[in-house]
Amino acid sequence: GAVVSQHPSRVICKSGTSVKIECRSLDFQATTMFWYRQFPKQSLMLMATSNEGSKATYEQGVEKDKFLINHASLTLSTLTVTSAHPEDSSFYICSARDGVGPANYGYTFGSGTRLTVV
Amino acid sequence: AQSVTQLGSHVSVSEGALVLLRCNYSSSVPPYLFWYVQYPNQGLQLLLKYTTGATLVKGINGFEAEFKKSETSFHLTKPSAHMSDAAEYFCAVSASGSARQLTFGSGTQLTVLP
Repeated sequence: GAVVSQHPSRVICKSGTSVKIECRSLDFQATTMFWYRQFPKQSLMLMATSNEGSKATYEQGVEKDKFLINHASLTLSTLTVTSAHPEDSSFYICSARDGVGPANYGYTFGSGTRLTVV
Repeated sequence: AQSVTQLGSHVSVSEGALVLLRCNYSSSVPPYLFWYVQYPNQGLQLLLKYTTGATLVKGINGFEAEFKKSETSFHLTKPSAHMSDAAEYFCAVSASGSARQLTFGSGTQLTVLP
């Protein structure tokens, strides 16, 4: 089945630094990827939709200058948290749309990245 | 616009008992519906989905769900709970649009009692 690899799984960084999270589709091409943020004991909140070769579409309230998304190839999307602050600490999960046609339509999720900003 | 409501943020069942997790959706167009399971500090794993065809969908680990259009529901069931089923469960809907992004419910924490 489709596999999405997300790295790193955990990262601790100092306040003011930037962190890059990678999301790779290993055995399929993903023209569309999604980035979510999840707070403890809560659901997933869509941050942005990433399309290969074009600018990401951000959800309302998400700072595009803080959360930089790049989708330069059909198998790689990256999320860079710039000038991170403690309030950016969270669990970030990527997802890629996979399958062709209604019967095969689906989404595969990465294993998530736990970001802690100290 | 689309939305998902999961009734019951916490559900507890005894091992061997029926599991029923409720999900109702709202969508202005025919929806695609999904159930995912999440274990602590992990991503989401697909349990099952409905996109087209038969409305009773069987998934992994003995779970199944039935799409009921008239009730706008997609409840998840399992005849006999196992200790390993303890996890967070999310129902999600994907409606029409060029991106077809998923909208998640608030999640249900399932506890299985010995």
